[in-house]
Amino acid sequence: LAKITQPISMDSYEGQEVNITCSHNNIATNDYITWYQQFPSQGPRFIIQGYKTKVTNEVASLFIPADRKSSTLSLPRVSLSDTAVYYCLVHNFNKFYFGSGTKLNVKP
Amino acid sequence: DTEVTQTPKHLVMGMTNKKSLKCEQHMGHRAMYWYKQKAKKPPELMFVYSYEKLSINESVPSRFSPECPNSSLLNLHLHALQPEDSALYLCASSQESTGRRTEAFFGQGTRLTVV
Repeated sequence: LAKITQPISMDSYEGQEVNITCSHNNIATNDYITWYQQFPSQGPRFIIQGYKTKVTNEVASLFIPADRKSSTLSLPRVSLSDTAVYYCLVHNFNKFYFGSGTKLNVKP
Repeated sequence: DTEVTQTPKHLVMGMTNKKSLKCEQHMGHRAMYWYKQKAKKPPELMFVYSYEKLSINESVPSRFSPECPNSSLLNLHLHALQPEDSALYLCASSQESTGRRTEAFFGQGTRLTVV
């Protein structure tokens, strides 16, 4: 399993862009990188997934450098409702193991 | 329909009780999962079913017994639990493919309290 390191917590203000970086030095060739968001007492929700370079969808962007040893989730213009825990997963096939996650606190 | 439905939402059981958690999905997914999540901790993978067969058991105690009666349903049978088993139990499903790109859909969980 890839060892995943994320910041334990981050603070931001409404309207700012937030970047959360995940380190996964021993990522394997077949591994994908997926980010999930989780609110208290709810199931995790898929945000974005990528293999290399940049992926963008309607809620976030994912930047993956060429060596794939890290990835950065970018949330544009966060709001109070983005306060949640964000998990970086590095997985192959259907083995979804969660790391410790980053608690994002968005302030008004 | 991109929903994974878990029942019940809340469950309180005694240490001598037998109960079951249920999970259902109608997305045609052939991989289904059980996770356990303690407060302020990440979800921990317990079991993975692939095409209705158990493919991963993360050394879970035998008081937790999974069952996959068909491709849409997943059960977790509980017996002789301990108070430390109190947690949020999450079910998830995903496509089962030979490719690497797959996304897991999660239910809202069952909040279990063992008294």
